[in-house]
Amino acid sequence: DTAVSQTPKYLVTQMGNDKSIKCEQNLGHDTMYWYKQDSKKFLKIMFSYNNKELIINETVPNRFSPKSPDKAHLNLHINSLELGDSAVYFCASSQDHMAGRGMYFGPGTRLTVT
Amino acid sequence: GESVGLHLPTLSVQEGDNSIINCAYSNSASDYFIWYKQESGKGPQFIIDIRSNMDKRQGQRVTVLLNKTVKHLSLQIAATQPGDSAVYFCAGVNTGNQFYFGTGTSLTVIP
Repeated sequence: DTAVSQTPKYLVTQMGNDKSIKCEQNLGHDTMYWYKQDSKKFLKIMFSYNNKELIINETVPNRFSPKSPDKAHLNLHINSLELGDSAVYFCASSQDHMAGRGMYFGPGTRLTVT
Repeated sequence: GESVGLHLPTLSVQEGDNSIINCAYSNSASDYFIWYKQESGKGPQFIIDIRSNMDKRQGQRVTVLLNKTVKHLSLQIAATQPGDSAVYFCAGVNTGNQFYFGTGTSLTVIP
């Protein structure tokens, strides 16, 4: 069974559009994250939620809005997409908010903005 | 701010040889380090971790060494196999519980 799943796996869209990426974890973890990986493979945290509460919000444009309907889901909505948003976005989860400990990543969503 | 960096962006090794991937970190207050492996088209996977009160930790075919004096850690993979080909990331956690990834080293195993 997939521990952390993301949909879609690939997303191609035009500048200015609004899109969402969904993430679900079936591990019973309390904390979920969104990471962005650029073309040079650099991974940068965007958001972290613990029990549906936002605990990390790095310097990310407010066009990016995470939403956690319950602790098993953390969706990422992006408004007014820009070329620079093209990247692979990873969802992750961990048992608690002690960063990095036992973090499980999803397979990633490759976003291409044209 | 904190950073963890890797000495080499790419590394090629012959199958069966040992691999050593190095990582330097800047924040001496970092108290926990993790190595992740990312295969093509997949998310990073946890390999091994080490706390700052240790200088060595061993897993199955992998060993992590931590040198706090020079703020350096390394991942050693014994008897490297084709399935070890991937990008390897070191990551650090500082006392503020902030988590940082390094830039990654791409390991290629030559059959």
